[in-house]
Amino acid sequence: KAGVTQTPRYLIKTRGQQVTLSCSPISGHRSVSWYQQTPGQGLQFLFEYFSETQRNKGNFPGRFSGRQFSNSRSEMNVSTLELGDSALYLCASSLESQGGTDTQYFGPGTRLTVL
Amino acid sequence: AQSVTQPDIHITVSEGASLELRCNYSYGATPYLFWYVQSPGQGLQLLLKYFSGDTLVQGIKGFEAEFKRSQSSFNLRKPSVHWSDAAEYFCAVAEYSSASKIIFGSGTRLSIRP
Repeated sequence: KAGVTQTPRYLIKTRGQQVTLSCSPISGHRSVSWYQQTPGQGLQFLFEYFSETQRNKGNFPGRFSGRQFSNSRSEMNVSTLELGDSALYLCASSLESQGGTDTQYFGPGTRLTVL
Repeated sequence: AQSVTQPDIHITVSEGASLELRCNYSYGATPYLFWYVQSPGQGLQLLLKYFSGDTLVQGIKGFEAEFKRSQSSFNLRKPSVHWSDAAEYFCAVAEYSSASKIIFGSGTRLSIRP
C-alpha cells in the first residue's frame, strides 16, 4: 500500500505570496492532520480534517487554512507568507482517530522556504 | 494543558552500547504516548505507542518503552544501538478526545560513535 504522499517536496516563495500544499493520505484513511516543524518551535499541530470537515485546530493565525476533498486528499494554504513560515510541513493520515487507537502515518513533508 | 519534555537535546552513544532516551509528560488522565523517529530529510516514523495495558511496550527496530505513571515518564530504550539508529527521536502525547492532535516534545538527537 502506498504511503502518505506530499507535493511538492520543496517550495521557494517570497514574502506576501500565498502557497498551497497537497497531501494524499494512505488509501482508506479518512483523517488527515497537518503539522509545522521549525528549529525554533519544533513540531506543532496545525489542524485535522475528517470527512471534509475541520475537526481540530491548533494555535495558528487565520492565514493558515486547509480543506479536505471527498477522496480524503487534503490541501493546506498559507496566505500572505512571512519569513517565519519557513518550515517543514508534515501531513499525517490515519484510518479514524476517534478514541486515539489509530496510528498516524506521516508523509515526507514539504520544505517551504520564504525569502 | 498537555506537554512533553525531553530533557536531552543531544546524546552520543557508542555503537553496540545501550540507549535510554528520557521523556516526561504532563497530562491529567491516562495519556496516549508515542515515540517517533525522524531521519534527516524524512518524515516521522512511529516506533511504538502506549494506550493502556502492559506498561512495557515493544516497538520496531528493537526499541521498547516503559510507561511509569508515578514518574510521568515514558522512556525509550534499546539494548544495543546500531549506526543506523542515528536520528532525531520525538516523544509525543495525544488527547483522548482528539487523538489526532499530537503534542510533540522538542526531540533528542542521537549520534552514534563508531
